[in-house]
Amino acid sequence: EVQLVESGGVLVQPGRSMKLSCAASGFTFSSFPMAWVRQAPTKGLEWVATISTSGGSTYYRDSVKGRFTISRDNAKSTLYLQMDSLRSEDTATYYCTTGRLGGGYFDYWGQGVMVTVSS
Amino acid sequence: DVVLTQSPATLSVTPGERISLSCRASESVDTYLHWYQQKPNESPRLLIKYASQSISGIPSRFSGSGSGTDFTLSINGVELEDLSIYYCQQGNSLPYTFGAGTKLELK
Repeated sequence: EVQLVESGGVLVQPGRSMKLSCAASGFTFSSFPMAWVRQAPTKGLEWVATISTSGGSTYYRDSVKGRFTISRDNAKSTLYLQMDSLRSEDTATYYCTTGRLGGGYFDYWGQGVMVTVSS
Repeated sequence: DVVLTQSPATLSVTPGERISLSCRASESVDTYLHWYQQKPNESPRLLIKYASQSISGIPSRFSGSGSGTDFTLSINGVELEDLSIYYCQQGNSLPYTFGAGTKLELK
């Protein structure tokens, strides 16, 4: 059974940093591109970033480019999202997903982790 | 960015009826259009990929159609467990984008 378990969410002040982790199991992690998708409270879904299987290629939405860094450790089957210079508009539930670069869809999702950016 | 417009925003349904949800793209996305279901307080779940391809474990009452800019998700015989928000998403070009969603509620 595929499992994606996010951790690291918490309340953080604007301008500060936070790192999310996603522990994967039940599939060959190194064979899947991975992604983060977020959802602001009572809002819709928004793609954040995608990383290739090796980690050699990364893709970001413009609003997080230069502030967020997606990475992975295939030996640990873990995905990361380093978030710097956080803004109030980054407040959301962040979902770890398997992200298909070829077709651009997200087939497996974690339970999500809440990140609140507020003073 | 590709804008996806979903309609209606809310649909009131009666169990057993057949319904159709629309998703229109601001430019062609070929068949790189995918559908998700999100139940209250749950993570989204992939329902249909590439506009019409079924997903293992998803009930056969869900089907998708369309290509280019116009897409439809159909539910043949709505059940109470289908009361959720449905999102379309395009994977044709970055940034990947989602529609605002259609909420199914009980009539």
